[in-house]
Amino acid sequence: AQKITQTQPGMFVQEKEAVTLDCTYDTSDPSYGLFWYKQPSSGEMIFLIYQGSYDQQNATEGRYSLNFQKARKSANLVISASQLGDSAMYFCAMREGPGYSTLTFGKGTMLLVSP
Amino acid sequence: GAVVSQHPSRVICKSGTSVKIECRSLDFQATTMFWYRQFPKKSLMLMATSNEGSKATYEQGVEKDKFLINHASLTLSTLTVTSAHPEDSSFYICSASEGGVGTSNQPQHFGDGTRLSIL
Repeated sequence: AQKITQTQPGMFVQEKEAVTLDCTYDTSDPSYGLFWYKQPSSGEMIFLIYQGSYDQQNATEGRYSLNFQKARKSANLVISASQLGDSAMYFCAMREGPGYSTLTFGKGTMLLVSP
Repeated sequence: GAVVSQHPSRVICKSGTSVKIECRSLDFQATTMFWYRQFPKKSLMLMATSNEGSKATYEQGVEKDKFLINHASLTLSTLTVTSAHPEDSSFYICSASEGGVGTSNQPQHFGDGTRLSIL
């Protein structure tokens, strides 16, 4: 089974609107971390936001927020007030275990923001 | 913030050439770095985990002799694609994370990637 599932290959949103990118995960480890990265067409991976499995509150970073629903094993990224520069590929990733380990990435969602 | 530098950003070379890609953590020490490969419009695929002072750990299906990894210092890991062929053409990207055991909330910081084209 896939550990990280992103069901939306592509999403369209108009400038200034909010958009939600879906991510579900699968793990039996009680300690894990969830990450979102943005990859523009130039290729670099930009870290956006992190949510730990024991965090009580949903993470927020500026226009980015994470809708963490632990029982449903979902960690959706919400981008408020979309900007043209938000057009990019977005990857959800998970790190399992309390220590230092590798990231498992989802297949990504391509977001296109239109004027 | 933490910065990872990757060089070169683009390589075009003839089949049979060996290509070395460098990954440096500029403002932190990284005992572990990661090397990924990404095909167009696909996700990142972990190739290997580079460990400072010891052998790299390769993922299943990745040829150790084809993709040589050296992690000689706490700030530098290199990936050498030996005797590269057109099928090795891809986007290669490295990452490193601050801290060690018990710091799983630290994000991996990525280099800007290397686009390798073998003619």
